[in-house]
Amino acid sequence: EAGVTQFPSHSVIEKGQTVTLRCDPISGHDNLYWYRRVMGKEIKFLLHFVKESKQDESGMPNNRFLAERTGGTYSTLKVQPAELEDSGVYFCASSQDLGYGYTFGSGTRLTVV
Amino acid sequence: QQQVKQSPQSLIVQKGGISIINCAYENTAFDYFPWYQQFPGKGPALLIAIRPDVSEKKEGRFTISFNKSAKQFSLHIMDSQPGDSATYFCAVRTDGGTDKLIFGTGTRLQVFP
Repeated sequence: EAGVTQFPSHSVIEKGQTVTLRCDPISGHDNLYWYRRVMGKEIKFLLHFVKESKQDESGMPNNRFLAERTGGTYSTLKVQPAELEDSGVYFCASSQDLGYGYTFGSGTRLTVV
Repeated sequence: QQQVKQSPQSLIVQKGGISIINCAYENTAFDYFPWYQQFPGKGPALLIAIRPDVSEKKEGRFTISFNKSAKQFSLHIMDSQPGDSATYFCAVRTDGGTDKLIFGTGTRLQVFP
């Protein structure tokens, strides 16, 4: 079974530019999550999809962040325009059922310069 | 406001020793307490988890001790091995409806031969 796949693995962009991160969950997993870890701090929840619907987007920092999951398969997270404080590692995770933990991808390291 | 406080930030243990990582939480409504292990360049992976109706759970060399009245839980790694060197995150689940997790800030464990 393929794991959760994220790309790119690294991205360096200038302040003000746009970046789109992609996540392919494990096939058949309805639940998809985005988390972010800023340097040395805790991993913070961004949002949760159930299929194509946003179940909880309470962790999204502001309206510069837009997450989509068209057709309930892969998801994208767009940051537009990027700011310096957006730098960090963005993790995607997926699960089939609630309450049994989920599988994380390897993350995308975003650096905004 | 940090809802999960994890300590220590880093830990150095000799091979064969016991590694202990502690977490304290504030909200008594949390109902699921997982520990994640992360190797460099990889995403966090579920290591072991406990629910509040038990005080201890053991899986191989890894044990979670849970103290509901003190609102604390800890990870014990017995007979620590160099291969255990990684960053460990405790987490709590806030809402069974979304499986949203709040993570601690992480503990970098180094096990020396």
